[in-house]
Amino acid sequence: NAGVTQTPKFQVLKTGQSMTLQCAQDMNHEYMSWYRQDPGMGLRLIHYSVGAGITDQGEVPNGYNVSRSTTEDFPLRLLSAAPSQTSVYFCASRPLASNQPQHFGDGTRLSIL
Amino acid sequence: KQEVTQIPAALSVPEGENLVLNCSFTDSAIYNLQWFRQDPGKGLTSLLLIQSSQREQTSGRLNASLDKSSGRSTLYIAASQPGDSATYLCAVRHNNAGNMLTFGGGTRLMVKP
Repeated sequence: NAGVTQTPKFQVLKTGQSMTLQCAQDMNHEYMSWYRQDPGMGLRLIHYSVGAGITDQGEVPNGYNVSRSTTEDFPLRLLSAAPSQTSVYFCASRPLASNQPQHFGDGTRLSIL
Repeated sequence: KQEVTQIPAALSVPEGENLVLNCSFTDSAIYNLQWFRQDPGKGLTSLLLIQSSQREQTSGRLNASLDKSSGRSTLYIAASQPGDSATYLCAVRHNNAGNMLTFGGGTRLMVKP
C-alpha cells in the first residue's frame, strides 16, 4: 500500500515562477488536505477537500490554488512563487468520518529564491 | 481561535526512562486529539487518536490521556529507547465544517543510549 504519495520531494524556484505540487492517495479517502510546516509556526492548513469537486480554504490559503477532479489526486498550485512560500508542504488524507486518523505524505521541500 | 501548546519544546533523557510529553489546548470544543511522530526529513506518523468522549488510549509502550475540560493531553512513553528519538506533535480536530486539525509546535525528544 503506497498510502499518500507526494512529488517532487525537493524543488527550488525563482520568485514569480509557478508550479504544481502533486499529491495522490490510494486508500479511497474522501478527505484530503494540504499543510505547510515552518519553524516556530507548526503545521498550518492551506486548503482541504471533502470529495471530488469540493474544495475549501484553510488557515493560510493566499497564493495557493487547489482542485479535486478525482478522489485520488489533490494537486496544490503556487500561482506566482514568493520567498514567503519557502516551506515544507505536506499532503494528508483520511476517511470522511472524523474519528479516523490522518495519514501524511513524506512532504515536499520547497525553496523560493 | 484554538491554540495548541506543547511543553517542553525539547527533551533529552537516558535510555530506559519513563517520560511524559504535555499538550494543552485553549478551546475544549474538540472532536478528537491525535498524537503524531515525525522523524527528520519525513512526514507525520499517527501514533494514537483519542475521541473527545474517551479518557485514554494505549498502544504498546505509549499511553495518551485526554482531559477535555481542562484542555490537556499527555503522552506517556514507557522504558524509552534510542529509536523513540523524534519530534512528537499533538493536534486537535475541531467541531466545525472543515474538521481541521490545529497542531502544537512539537516536542523534540532525544533518547541517549
